[in-house]
Amino acid sequence: SYELTQPPSVSVSPGQTASITCSGDKLGNIYTCWYQQKPGQSPVMVIYQDTKRPSGIPERFSASNSGNTATLTISGTQAMDEADYYCQAWDSNTVIFGGGTKLTVL
Amino acid sequence: QVQLQESGPGLVKPSQTLSLTCTVSGGSINRGTYYWSWIRQPAGKGLEWIGRFYTSGSTNYNPSLKSRVTISIDTSKNQFSLELSSVTAADTAVYYCARANYYGSGSYGMDVWGQGTTVTVSS
Repeated sequence: SYELTQPPSVSVSPGQTASITCSGDKLGNIYTCWYQQKPGQSPVMVIYQDTKRPSGIPERFSASNSGNTATLTISGTQAMDEADYYCQAWDSNTVIFGGGTKLTVL
Repeated sequence: QVQLQESGPGLVKPSQTLSLTCTVSGGSINRGTYYWSWIRQPAGKGLEWIGRFYTSGSTNYNPSLKSRVTISIDTSKNQFSLELSSVTAADTAVYYCARANYYGSGSYGMDVWGQGTTVTVSS
């Protein structure tokens, strides 16, 4: 079965750029989404179709997807961005989530 | 805007069937190009997709749960439901319903989520 691999944790200083990776076989050939989940809350989609931001998501959130890796980038990271982030893709009519990355803003 | 709300028992006994309902408000469940999905999250762990229902009537399930899962839709009530049979403690989790929106070129994203409901499997 298809798997998506994320680092368990990433740390970043306020104002710096955070990058969270998501790896999967030929992932660049399929569309990915990214979700942000804060403690006790439901996930929120921050990226769809590899690179697009839904309405209301700040411009500091961007993403790319090529080869075997999708990357979520948060520029000028703020304390409010501290959360768990999940990548997600579709494979053979099933939905796959990465294991999640805890972003800590130190 | 569309909102989703999960409902159902918070406690289910082992070997029984877990049944949850997701009520859709602010829009018709039968209109548009959407998948209606269930996702769960055990405490302190990641998201696990359970399955989805398309308004055309087609369904897709997580292969690891397929033998125990049924997702159905009631358009008259604007609801969709999850049934998970033969539950064990491993099925204890927060269960979310979500809408997957179609963005073209085969691309979907889960843009609306319910608040989640906690289900505990215990005798």
